[in-house]
Amino acid sequence: DAKTTQPPSMDCAEGRAANLPCNHSTISGNEYVYWYRQIHSQGPQYIIHGLKNNETNEMASLIITEDRKSSTLILPHATLRDTAVYYCIVRGENQAGTALIFGKGTTLSVSS
Amino acid sequence: KAGVTQTPRYLIKTRGQQVTLSCSPISGHRSVSWYQQTPGQGLQFLFEYFSETQRNKGNFPGRFSGRQFSNSRSEMNVSTLELGDSALYLCASSLELAGELFFGEGSRLTVL
Repeated sequence: DAKTTQPPSMDCAEGRAANLPCNHSTISGNEYVYWYRQIHSQGPQYIIHGLKNNETNEMASLIITEDRKSSTLILPHATLRDTAVYYCIVRGENQAGTALIFGKGTTLSVSS
Repeated sequence: KAGVTQTPRYLIKTRGQQVTLSCSPISGHRSVSWYQQTPGQGLQFLFEYFSETQRNKGNFPGRFSGRQFSNSRSEMNVSTLELGDSALYLCASSLELAGELFFGEGSRLTVL
């Protein structure tokens, strides 16, 4: 079973920041938080991952709470092309033989 | 560099037949994993290979099998197809086990 809980859907206006929450209250100390997204009919795309510090790359920012029980993916200026299903996943980075367990994800709809 | 390539992209089979799907990982990637995606069950892990060895297997019947070749290319086979096997089959590669995954576009199988 997935170790994360996400809202099933969210809406965002184009140009505004999209903040996608994720709860992972049972996360272990050596497990990372990964975010992927899947645009309709395409394979999932890696966005970002982190352990406990906040992370930023060209696509998004990841804010992890101090107790690591939840995190937020931030798309700073959402565009229509960001409409997708966003998956939050926890996984140990060096856990050989473990697989990504995808939950239902959050369907983000960006509108103009 | 080229991404993960899956063939065929689309195929139609009838119940009872068998099917083989192919996945060519990103050059240099040694780990390949397979996922099944259906509207009802979402993304589900099938199996993961590293250096020609299956390292992990999901909860699927024995009709689902796979293998990895010395050049890291992978194939998965489904025998005695059932209607419920209709799905998008996704392959992902990574540099090492439990690394960042790069997904292909998938092979969409329809069983009639």
